[in-house]
Amino acid sequence: DIQLTQSPSSLSASVGDRVTITCRASESISSYLNWYQQKPGKAPKLLIYAASTLQSGVPSRFSGAGSGTDFTLTISSLRPEDLATYYCQQSYISPLTFGPGTKVDIK
Amino acid sequence: QVQLQESGPGLVKPSQTLSLTCTVSGGSISSGSYYWSWIRQSAGKGLEWIGRIEASGNTNYNPSLESRVTISVDTSKNQFSLRLRSVTAADTAVYYCARDPFVFLRGVIHNWFDPWGQGSLVTVSS
Repeated sequence: DIQLTQSPSSLSASVGDRVTITCRASESISSYLNWYQQKPGKAPKLLIYAASTLQSGVPSRFSGAGSGTDFTLTISSLRPEDLATYYCQQSYISPLTFGPGTKVDIK
Repeated sequence: QVQLQESGPGLVKPSQTLSLTCTVSGGSISSGSYYWSWIRQSAGKGLEWIGRIEASGNTNYNPSLESRVTISVDTSKNQFSLRLRSVTAADTAVYYCARDPFVFLRGVIHNWFDPWGQGSLVTVSS
C-alpha cells in the first residue's frame, strides 16, 4: 500500500497567516493526490483534486502543488472558518489511502 | 445537486454482520462515470477506504477488508450497500458513503471522493 505522511500533525496560526501543509507519499504517485477539509462533527469536503485543481466553490485562498512524492496545500490568508483537519488522499493505485491529517487551530 | 445519506443500525454485536445502505438523491446512480465508495473513520486508524462499486456491479475492495466485505448496488432504488461480516470492536467507526467520479484530466484518469454522506456511527459492542 502507498503510505502518506503529513506534516505538521497540528499547527496554530493567526487570522491572515499563510499556512502550508505537506503530504509525502511512500512512492511516486504522479499528480494523483487530493486534499480534503474536515470540520468538527462533519464529513470531509473535497478542496483540491489532481494535486492542484481547485474544486468548484472552494475559496481561491486554497491552493495545491506538487507531483511525484511531495505535495503541499497552502492557505494564503487564514480565516476563522478554516479551523479544521486537512487530509491528503492518493488515487494512484488501489487501495486508495489517506494521510493521518493536519489539525489547524486559530490562535 | 447530488446528496448521499447513510442508514442502518448504530449498534452491532461482535461476530455479527454490519449492514449499511447509502441512498443517492438528486441524480441517478447509473448516470455518468462514477464509482460509489464506502469509507470509514475511527480514532485508531483514521480514514480508511473500504471499497467501491460501479452501477454495473463491478467492485474493488481494500485487501485488508476484502475477505469480510460485500458492496452491492440496487439501481432501481438508487442505493448501494455495505455488508461487513464477523465484526469486532476494531470495526467501530463512522461509516461514510461517497461518490467517486473518474475523470479524464490532462491525459489521464483521476478520481476523488465528492460528495460525501453525513456519516453513520456504528458501534460494535455486546
